[in-house]
This record gives sequence, structure tokens and C-alpha cells, in this order.
Amino acid sequence: NAGVTQTPKFQVLKTGQSMTLQCAQDMNHNSMYWYRQDPGMGLRLIYYSASEGTTDKGEVPNGYNVSRLNKREFSLRLESAAPSQTSVYFCASSARGTSEEQYFGPGTRLTVT
Amino acid sequence: AQTVTQSQPEMSVQEAETVTLSCTYDTSESDYYLFWYKQPPSRQMILVIRQEAYKQQNATENRFSVNFQKAAKSFSLKISDSQLGDAAMYFCAYQEYGNKLVFGAGTILRVKS
Repeated sequence: NAGVTQTPKFQVLKTGQSMTLQCAQDMNHNSMYWYRQDPGMGLRLIYYSASEGTTDKGEVPNGYNVSRLNKREFSLRLESAAPSQTSVYFCASSARGTSEEQYFGPGTRLTVT
Repeated sequence: AQTVTQSQPEMSVQEAETVTLSCTYDTSESDYYLFWYKQPPSRQMILVIRQEAYKQQNATENRFSVNFQKAAKSFSLKISDSQLGDAAMYFCAYQEYGNKLVFGAGTILRVKS
């Protein structure tokens, strides 16, 4: 099992460009999450999907959209990248989204110039 | 909103000695979960230990144990017999039943040989 995979691992964008971060899990988990990690602030939830077909906003959703393509895949889209979106992005999944352990992907380092 | 505070931005410990990382949280709930995650330089997030609030017994995982003080809303992590491989960023996280994880800002642990 690969667990949670993310692509790409690194990306540099110019302000105003768009891109999609891809995430897939092979553990048959119901819930998936997108976080961003900034220095001194820990991880903050951007969006999550409690189950296939549902998505909800987290703490910092502005400037992002998500798609739960199927049970395995959960993508994060930046429509018009801004320097404030320079961060490390993590995807995670959990079996039921309650007290279940969240399993994290390796992260994507995104720089917006 | 729930908050998680890690008051120690950085800690150091001598190899083979014991270190305690502090975490406090704010909640009005009685049922919730607390976690410690480890993030080594590889960026991978690894679950270290989990505590259910309804359990009075402190969780332990090999060299890792917690001191859970529910009334004080305190959840510290003790690492015994510290090893070089323990050097990492450690995040405390809080979760209500059926809800999202809220992370603290993290504590960098350095292990000296």
C-alpha cells in the first residue's frame, strides 16, 4: 500500500497562475483533508471531505476550491495564485473522520512569486 | 473556537535523557481526543500517541507517554531515553468527536549526542 500520495512534490507559480494539487489514498478511507503548514502556525485545515460526494470549508478556505473526484481522490485547486499561498500543503485521510488517526501524504511545497 | 497552545517553540535534550513537551488547549466539551504528531525533516507527519478524554489512564507508546490533566486542559508529552531519531517538530492536536483536527504551532526538539 502506498498510503496517501500527493503530486507534485514541489511547484513554483507566478502570481495569477492556476494549478491543481492531486491527492490519492489506497486505504479505502471515507474522509479526506487538505491542510497548509506555515512557519510558526502549525497545520491549518483548508477543506475537508467527510465522505464521497461531500466537501466542507475548514479554517482557511479563501482562494481554494476542492473536488472529491471519487472515494480515492481529493484535489485542491488554486484558481489565481497569490504570494500569500506560498506554503507546504498536506493531504490526509482517515477511516471515518471521528477519532480515527489521520494519515498524511508527504506534502507539496508551493512557492508563488 | 478551540485553540491549542504549545508554549515551547524549541527544546533541547541530551541523548538518553528525558524531555517533556507542553501543550494546553481550550474547550468547553467533555468528550474529545488529543494527539501528538511528529514531523521529522522529511516532512512526513507521524502519529506518536493518542488520548481519549474519557479515559483517565494516561496513554503510553514505548518510550513516549503523556500526562493528561483534564481539569487543567493540559496534555504534555514525555520522551524517555531520547534518541537522535527523536529530533523533529512535534505537534499537539485536538479533535472533537466527528470534527476536525486543530493543531498547535509546534515545538522543535533537538537531541544532542
